[in-house]
Amino acid sequence: QVQLQESGPGLVKPSQTLSLTCTVSSDSISSINYYWSWIRQPAGKGLEWIGRISTSGSTNYNPSLKSRLTISVDTSKNQFSLKLSSVTAADTAVYYCAREMATIPNYFDYWGQGTVVAVSS
Amino acid sequence: EIVLTQSPATLSLSPGERATLSCRASQSVSSYLAWYQQKPGQPPRLLIYEASNRATGIPARFSGSGSGTDFTLTISSLEPEDFAVYYCQQRSNWPLTFGGGTKVEIK
Repeated sequence: QVQLQESGPGLVKPSQTLSLTCTVSSDSISSINYYWSWIRQPAGKGLEWIGRISTSGSTNYNPSLKSRLTISVDTSKNQFSLKLSSVTAADTAVYYCAREMATIPNYFDYWGQGTVVAVSS
Repeated sequence: EIVLTQSPATLSLSPGERATLSCRASQSVSSYLAWYQQKPGQPPRLLIYEASNRATGIPARFSGSGSGTDFTLTISSLEPEDFAVYYCQQRSNWPLTFGGGTKVEIK
């Protein structure tokens, strides 16, 4: 059973960079070429896909965030990470990391519990 | 970007009743659509993928149908644990997008 756990600061100041890490346990992140995504959800609202990375480092980003976004992977630590620069209050949300299905990509069968990030001075 | 519109926003039903949720896409997504269930304080859970395939461990009372632009999630007989918010998600085009959600609440 794959487990994912998000970690990072819960409070970020406006204009700074939001940095989160997702640690994958119970499975090697590089054992199969899965894709790993970040998804966020503002309080009381719907879900927004942020971007994804494969275990080989190939990325896809949401165009609405692409200019501010970097997703990276560290297979030696079984982790992948998100950096979102120049944040504003609109970036306040619960941030989830998730794994795509092995058989059919772009659907998410394993999720972390989510971490709350607030952007405020 | 493909916009997914879910209706109704809220569905008020009693346990044992049938729930029918709708998801409409702004352009054809073929059968590249999934449904998720989310309970308060929890991440979404994958229910249905490719419009009509149940994910591992999902009870048979959940079924999905549709193709092109119109999709339906049906819960044949609501159990107490089914009261939650449901989201659709498309993988036809980048970026991946989700619908706004339908809340199924106890009447």
